[in-house]
Amino acid sequence: NAGVMQNPRHLVRRRGQEARLRCSPMKGHSHVYWYRQLPEEGLKFMVYLQKENIIDESGMPKERFSAEFPKEGPSILRIQQVVRGDSAAYFCASSPGSANYGYTFGSGTRLTVV
Amino acid sequence: AQTVTQSQPEMSVQEAETVTLSCTYDTSESDYYLFWYKQPPSRQMILVIRQEAYKQQNATENRFSVNFQKAAKSFSLKISDSQLGDAAMYFCAYRSGGGADGLTFGKGTHLIIQP
Repeated sequence: NAGVMQNPRHLVRRRGQEARLRCSPMKGHSHVYWYRQLPEEGLKFMVYLQKENIIDESGMPKERFSAEFPKEGPSILRIQQVVRGDSAAYFCASSPGSANYGYTFGSGTRLTVV
Repeated sequence: AQTVTQSQPEMSVQEAETVTLSCTYDTSESDYYLFWYKQPPSRQMILVIRQEAYKQQNATENRFSVNFQKAAKSFSLKISDSQLGDAAMYFCAYRSGGGADGLTFGKGTHLIIQP
């Protein structure tokens, strides 16, 4: 039973390019959460999605960031026109429904903007 | 908004000794969940222990236990018989019980195990 799969593990983008981060939740999990971790910081909540629906995007920056979780395929976090400040580790977590038992996290994608 | 504070950026303990990591939080809610996560150098976030706010009994998982003081809004993690594999960043996290909110994390404590 594979865990939460994130790819790529490392991603380097030049300023102004687009970054696409993928997350495949655990089998049977229909809830996906994205978090961002800046250096020396804890994780910050970005967005919560269920299949084909954004439930809570209160942590998403207003511009350049978007997320989706289509009926088929992985969840995608998309960052357009990346800037140096977007450099961080991005984590995905999934849960089967209620997340009160704690989520299962992926290993993260480290985005470096050069 | 809820906040989670971890006042110890770094802690060091001798192997086989006991160490306590502190965490305080601020909330106006009565129904919530608290978690401790471990992040080793591999970056994987691993759930160590969880506590429901409505339960008075402190959670325990093998060598890991918590001291949950609801009135004081304190949720410390005790690691007994520390092992080299316990070296990692430890994050305290809060989740509202009623909604679909994500976790609110503290800034973490870096735990060093001295052999």
